[in-house]
Formats: sequence, C-alpha cells, structure tokens
Amino acid sequence: GAVVSQHPSRVICKSGTSVKIECRSLDFQATTMFWYRQFPKQSLMLMATSNEGSKATYEQGVEKDKFLINHASLTLSTLTVTSAHPEDSSFYICSARDSRGAQPQHFGDGTRLSIL
Amino acid sequence: GQQLNQSPQSMFIQEGEDVSMNCTSSSIFNTWLWYKQDPGEGPVLLIALYKAGELTSNGRLTAQFGITRKDSFLNISASIPSDVGIYFCAGTAGGTSYGKLTFGQGTILTVHP
Repeated sequence: GAVVSQHPSRVICKSGTSVKIECRSLDFQATTMFWYRQFPKQSLMLMATSNEGSKATYEQGVEKDKFLINHASLTLSTLTVTSAHPEDSSFYICSARDSRGAQPQHFGDGTRLSIL
Repeated sequence: GQQLNQSPQSMFIQEGEDVSMNCTSSSIFNTWLWYKQDPGEGPVLLIALYKAGELTSNGRLTAQFGITRKDSFLNISASIPSDVGIYFCAGTAGGTSYGKLTFGQGTILTVHP
C-alpha cells in the first residue's frame, strides 16, 4: 500500500532554533502533499498545501514566513519551522496523495516538536 | 468554512460489542474517508467512499456515504481491544477546496476486555 515516511519522529530544541521536517512518499509520486498540525486531544488542522514545483498554498492564519514549505521533487516535501518558540510545540503530520487518479491521502507518522 | 460534526466524542464499550459513529455536514462532500489514529502516530486510512449511497466493508468495519452527501457513518462489529484509538471522519469537497481534507473532531474509542 501507499507509504508516507516522515522524519524526524521527535525533535526537542531550544527556542529560536529552526527545525526542518521531511515528508516522503516511498512508493508513489505525489504532486500534492499536505501539512497538518495537531494539538493534544484535538483534530488535525490543515496548515498548507504543498505543490511540487510551485509555491505552497497556506490556510488562513498560518504564517508563510514562519512555516516554510519546499516541494522540490515528486516524492519529497519539507516543512521548516523558523525561529521556533514554545507555542510552536505541537504534533506536525504530513500527508500525500498519489498523483494517479482519485486517491485518498495517506499520512506520515508525525513529528512531535517540543521547543524549550 | 466547511465543518464536520462527528459524534459521539467518546465511547466506552465492552469487548465484543458493536460500535457506531457518524459525521454530518451542512455542505456537500464528494469523498468521505474514515481514519484511525493511535497515540503518537499519524492517521491510518480505514475506508474511502466516493459515491453517494456507497456502502463499503473492510473486515469488521463498514462505512456508508450518505445519499444526501452530507453524512457518513462507520460501524465496527464485534470490537476487540486493539480497536482502541481515535477515529476521524474526513471529507473532500469540490471547487477551491478540491483535494483538501476537512476532519471531524474525532471519536475516542475505549474497549474494555
């Protein structure tokens, strides 16, 4: 089945650090990937849509300069949390959809980001 | 914006019991999906529904895409301890929201042995 790999699974770093999270589709090509944020005991909230070869589309209220997205290939999207602060601590999850036909999104295992 | 109302918020059941949860929306969705999320992991796709009225099974799981395209339900039969987790409905609409998933609030399922 469709496999999405997300790395790292956990990050603990100091305030002011920039953190990069990778999302890879392992056995399919994905022209579109999605980045979500999930707070404890809450649902997933879409942050942005990552489009291969073009700029990401951000949801309302999400700072594009804070959350930099790069989708340089059909199998890799990265999310960089710039100058992270404690309020950025959260569970970040990516998803990808096979470019061929109408396919559902498959999710990575998430990245637990903790900013001290 | 689009919202999905998922109920119940939580369920505590005995092993062997059947479970039912549902999602409703005030707007039409083109696709309904059901995911399960275990603690510290990403959601795993259980069932995908693409046509109004569609009824699909995956083992002990059965889900239906409502005729009005504004609702969906998920049933789990003969629950087992490993069914524990958070179940999310999700849907995609057309237009400018094409491809984007809107999630329900989730149903926390606890199964007592």
